[in-house]
Amino acid sequence: EAGVAQSPRYKIIEKRQSVAFWCNPISGHATLYWYQQILGQGPKLLIQFQNNGVVDDSQLPKDRFSAERLKGVDSTLKIQPAKLEDSAVYLCASSPGTTDTQYFGPGTRLTVL
Amino acid sequence: AQRVTQPEKLLSVFKGAPVELKCNYSYSGSPELFWYVQYSRQRLQLLLRHISRESIKGFTADLNKGETSFHLKKPFAQEEDSAMYYCALKAWDTGNQFYFGTGTSLTVIP
Repeated sequence: EAGVAQSPRYKIIEKRQSVAFWCNPISGHATLYWYQQILGQGPKLLIQFQNNGVVDDSQLPKDRFSAERLKGVDSTLKIQPAKLEDSAVYLCASSPGTTDTQYFGPGTRLTVL
Repeated sequence: AQRVTQPEKLLSVFKGAPVELKCNYSYSGSPELFWYVQYSRQRLQLLLRHISRESIKGFTADLNKGETSFHLKKPFAQEEDSAMYYCALKAWDTGNQFYFGTGTSLTVIP
């Protein structure tokens, strides 16, 4: 079974630039999560989708971050404009439902200079 | 407020020795707790969840509501247990929000 795919794996940008990350969950998984993991910290949930609807985005900095999952499958997470403190690994995870085990992707490492 | 606390960032034990990774949580409702593991150059993956009450790779974790703890234990550590371990809590009262601890890096010395 193919796992959660993410791209790009690495991204380096300058502050105030925009960046987008892509996630393809495991086929058939209705729930998709985006996490931010800053160096030395645990993952922090940014947003959770159930199919194409948002279940929770209470920790998403909405002034600069946005995410969508238009067809209930792939998802994109965008940062515009980026700040130095956005440097982190962005993890995508998926699960069959909200009560099921989450399967994580390899992450995208973002460096903001 | 920090929902999940892992007091040890680094932990080293000798092969064959018992290991305990500590996790304390702060939550007023009935929590659902997990341990996730990340081996070197691998993805974060679920190790165990308290509702399953099972042993995975020799690891067990018991939810102690009185002490608000969910410590991970293994009686005899193996070299392949060296990894980063994260304790996580699922908060039902905040829309199924997941809260991860800061992680404990376990090194098993041969």
